[in-house]
Amino acid sequence: DVKVTQSSRYLVKRTGEKVFLECVQDMDHENMFWYRQDPGLGLRLIYFSYDVKMKEKGDIPEGYSVSREKKERFSLILESASTNQTSMYLCASSLTGHLYGYTFGSGTRLTVV
Amino acid sequence: DQQVKQNSPSLSVQEGRISILNCDYTNSMFDYFLWYKKYPAEGPTFLISISSIKDKNEDGRFTVFLNKSAKHLSLHIVPSQPGDSAVYFCAASEDSNYQLIWGAGTKLIIKP
Repeated sequence: DVKVTQSSRYLVKRTGEKVFLECVQDMDHENMFWYRQDPGLGLRLIYFSYDVKMKEKGDIPEGYSVSREKKERFSLILESASTNQTSMYLCASSLTGHLYGYTFGSGTRLTVV
Repeated sequence: DQQVKQNSPSLSVQEGRISILNCDYTNSMFDYFLWYKKYPAEGPTFLISISSIKDKNEDGRFTVFLNKSAKHLSLHIVPSQPGDSAVYFCAASEDSNYQLIWGAGTKLIIKP
């Protein structure tokens, strides 16, 4: 069964910590995305990547960085976690071409205390 | 400025009745529209899509209608079932762009 796997379902981190969220897809998709979901705000794009070692800023990149060293893996990094980064983080992947939509992981609920 | 808008944060419908979820968009370059369904603590899952060359697409209990002149699409669920209770997201993309632009979501509650 093809899928997108996020390494953690729940994380609790302290303010100021460096946080790594990992995402792996087994569908050979070119494109990968990181979103955060907050009540009333829907899905907001943080970063995306359309190829290995390529990255593009989304709508809310501040405080985040990403890494894509291999096609199947896309990592989101919170350089210095803050309480306003408490959120549900969703990773997605897609093939190039809009016909296919996105496949999402199950999400990581991050709490920063 | 939001290009895709879901103006109803929530909707409550009796089991067995029709659920209608609405979505408006402002970008006339959008030519592909998708609906996703999301349960709590899970990622969104693809539900149904429609391209701009059509005005209706049906898949079982789910039908999506597109009105290009009004820049409006809707998702109809008939009959509504308890398992349909979830957050529904509308998304859109341009032909030349692999990015999806998302609405804020509508929480659908099916009452027994």
